[in-house]
Amino acid sequence: DGGITQSPKYLFRKEGQNVTLSCEQNLNHDAMYWYRQDPGQGLRLIYYSQIVNDFQKGDIAEGYSVSREKKESFPLTVTSAQKNPTAFYLCASSIRADDGNTIYFGEGSWLTVV
Amino acid sequence: AQSVTQLDSQVPVFEEAPVELRCNYSSSVSVYLFWYVQYPNQGLQLLLKYLSGSTLVKGINGFEAEFNKSQTSFHLRKPSVHISDTAEYFCAVTVPFWGGGYNKLIFGAGTRLAVHP
Repeated sequence: DGGITQSPKYLFRKEGQNVTLSCEQNLNHDAMYWYRQDPGQGLRLIYYSQIVNDFQKGDIAEGYSVSREKKESFPLTVTSAQKNPTAFYLCASSIRADDGNTIYFGEGSWLTVV
Repeated sequence: AQSVTQLDSQVPVFEEAPVELRCNYSSSVSVYLFWYVQYPNQGLQLLLKYLSGSTLVKGINGFEAEFNKSQTSFHLRKPSVHISDTAEYFCAVTVPFWGGGYNKLIFGAGTRLAVHP
């Protein structure tokens, strides 16, 4: 079945460590996104990519980094510079980044920093 | 700038009762509007979207929403809810970019629908 796979589902890390969240899609979508979800705040865009080897900062990119070396993969690294990294992270994709195209979401990854 | 306000953070309702989840948006230009549903510990699933045309939009699982431009609203409705509809619902807006923009969704804070037997 086509879809978006995020791993791991749950991740615990010590403060000061970088962590990388994996996101793979087999929908043949050009555009991919990373969102952060905090309770009561909805979703906020971290980074997005419209095409391979290109990505742009979203609203809360500080302390995060991404790469887009392959069309199907868009990993997110949460660096030690991110001051409050504990959150639910959602990867998403759409056919293109054009207006109105449905954005499909993965199952999410819980990151807890202790 | 665009923004989305979901007027109720929680909506309790009994099974088989009707429900309305309210969403208002702010924008000086035309928008596209979406409703997503999120079940516990899962990603978001699109319920329905309004791009243009008929202001009454029908989605999955018996949900529908009506776009009201004069009131800048996009309320979600279901005539009879089930226990399985218990979830968090997000309203989102995106502004059409012509010629190379990107599909930036702006989300509301969410409404938690709790259906009781």
